[in-house]
Amino acid sequence: AQKITQTQPGMFVQEKEAVTLDCTYDTSDPSYGLFWYKQPSSGEMIFLIYQGSYDQQNATEGRYSLNFQKARKSANLVISASQLGDSAMYFCAMRGSSNFGNEKLTFGTGTRLTIIP
Amino acid sequence: KAGVTQTPRYLIKTRGQQVTLSCSPISGHRSVSWYQQTPGQGLQFLFEYFSETQRNKGNFPGRFSGRQFSNSRSEMNVSTLELGDSALYLCASSRDGGPFFGQGTRLTVV
Repeated sequence: AQKITQTQPGMFVQEKEAVTLDCTYDTSDPSYGLFWYKQPSSGEMIFLIYQGSYDQQNATEGRYSLNFQKARKSANLVISASQLGDSAMYFCAMRGSSNFGNEKLTFGTGTRLTIIP
Repeated sequence: KAGVTQTPRYLIKTRGQQVTLSCSPISGHRSVSWYQQTPGQGLQFLFEYFSETQRNKGNFPGRFSGRQFSNSRSEMNVSTLELGDSALYLCASSRDGGPFFGQGTRLTVV
């Protein structure tokens, strides 16, 4: 079984500051993938970043980076220079090797990020 | 390149009715998966289809069903609607990378 834990229900951050959203995971799968999605109030889930468990380097996509610490089973999302448009729900998700060959994701409960002007 | 398209965006149904939701994946994507999102249960996996075959199924009652067509478009059906089926239903498609989600269908059961 896989489990994703996001312990921050909500965060308030000043515009232009960096923000770290926490995600820890638990799995017995030998290999897995970790995802972050952004969900604005419109409802669409927007793919942000992906990290494979065997990737040597932390993933980066523009202002998003994933701080992957395998031994601690954490995959925190870092947003640099936050913008008002970053205000949304953020979900961490996992796909385990038991699900390779299919696309089932296990999601955390999400963090609601609010950027303050 | 067009993203994942879900129709309709909003739907209001009465208890006991049935409903069909549609999902058109990104061109070239053969895997389509469905999720239910509610405030109480969060995001839960419903099922996944690949090349017209159900590849994985979540823990939902048999009232929830789906199918995929030869053009990879997918539909999900909920029969005998209950108030608890009110949710945002999200569809996602995958190929190399993703899954990438659509905007969802917000279903309200009254």
